[in-house]
Amino acid sequence: DAGVIQSPRHEVTEMGQEVTLRCKPISGHNSLFWYRQTMMRGLELLIYFNNNVPIDDSGMPEDRFSAKMPNASFSTLKIQPSEPRDSAVYFCASSLFDRDSPRQYFGPGTRLTVT
Amino acid sequence: QQQVKQSPQSLIVQKGGISIINCAYENTAFDYFPWYQQFPGKGPALLIAIRPDVSEKKEGRFTISFNKSAKQFSLHIMDSQPGDSATYFCAASYESGGSNYKLTFGKGTLLTVNP
Repeated sequence: DAGVIQSPRHEVTEMGQEVTLRCKPISGHNSLFWYRQTMMRGLELLIYFNNNVPIDDSGMPEDRFSAKMPNASFSTLKIQPSEPRDSAVYFCASSLFDRDSPRQYFGPGTRLTVT
Repeated sequence: QQQVKQSPQSLIVQKGGISIINCAYENTAFDYFPWYQQFPGKGPALLIAIRPDVSEKKEGRFTISFNKSAKQFSLHIMDSQPGDSATYFCAASYESGGSNYKLTFGKGTLLTVNP
């Protein structure tokens, strides 16, 4: 099992540019989560999908952020336009619902730097 | 509103010592309490988890102690090793959306185990 795959691993962009982060969840998992990690705010849940449907996007900071999951094997997180305060590590995680053991598997993250 | 408070922010322990990290929560609906371990440059990975119907869970050198009345839980690492040096996150969750668990994370504890 390849685990959760994220791309790119590192992204450096200029303020105002569009940034697209990609995630391939573990095959067979039915939930996908996008998190943002910063020193100041720790790990924050941005949005999560269940069976490709967005369930809770209350953590999305503002309209500049959008996420899609067109099928069970792919999701994107887009920032347009990007700002320096968006600099963070963005993690994607997936899970297969199991009431007894609701474990989330995290990808390696994408380190985003906006200059 | 920070629903899960974690302390300390950082911890230095000598090899062979006991590392203790504490967390407190507010939402009594939480019914699943995992701890995640994160090494530099990697995504968090589940270490151990507990449900509120037990007061303690042990897996190898790692133990979770849970106090439901105080709404607190802690991670104990016995015989701490340099390889345990990492950031540890507590989290809390309850079933949401009818089929999955949304995690709320503490801010993390950076553990350093000196040889």
